[in-house]
Amino acid sequence: DQQVKQNSPSLSVQEGRISILNCDYTNSMFDYFLWYKKYPAEGPTFLISISSIKDKNEDGRFTVFLNKSAKHLSLHIVPSQPGDSAVYFCAASDAGKSTFGDGTTLTVKP
Amino acid sequence: EAGVAQSPRYKIIEKRQSVAFWCNPISGHATLYWYQQILGQGPKLLIQFQNNGVVDDSQLPKDRFSAERLKGVDSTLKIQPAKLEDSAVYLCASSLPDQGETQYFGPGTRLLVL
Repeated sequence: DQQVKQNSPSLSVQEGRISILNCDYTNSMFDYFLWYKKYPAEGPTFLISISSIKDKNEDGRFTVFLNKSAKHLSLHIVPSQPGDSAVYFCAASDAGKSTFGDGTTLTVKP
Repeated sequence: EAGVAQSPRYKIIEKRQSVAFWCNPISGHATLYWYQQILGQGPKLLIQFQNNGVVDDSQLPKDRFSAERLKGVDSTLKIQPAKLEDSAVYLCASSLPDQGETQYFGPGTRLLVL
């Protein structure tokens, strides 16, 4: 049973518009949530995170929202840029052990 | 600051052969992870070390996979014998002991088993 799900395998948006990537989880013990970004032939790189005691965290163009009652989190990128085109992984952590979703491929068109 | 180093970057072997991967974590990072990432899926944890001790190896197929972290720094992951389904990218990551949620990944080793 997959505990972290990213139901959209791909997303395409126009440059300058908002990108919204979604993630759902099932395990109530997760206490920390992260987004990683991955370019081809590279390892994932940390992007932004949020603790379970918060509902929003913002870092420049990136904002992560957490809805604990719905067990849902989302990553907003505003404005989207062509360089944001990559695979985005959602991860949820329980006592330092992370479980990853299968990723969403974001394509930002110029 | 140097990142996580992994070698080799690519490896092609035939089934039933053995293969080993090497990882050098970021200096000062006590926690080291090995992940398997199959095409189209997210990374799946194989084993987690804290210094040279194993914290979690519940997902490691111990009949064919082994890993060690001598002296609490470098680590090697071995597969013997390899199966076709072992074809994947093997990622090494490291983190500070009190910040395990944020992990720093190496570039990975892409393994193809024929």
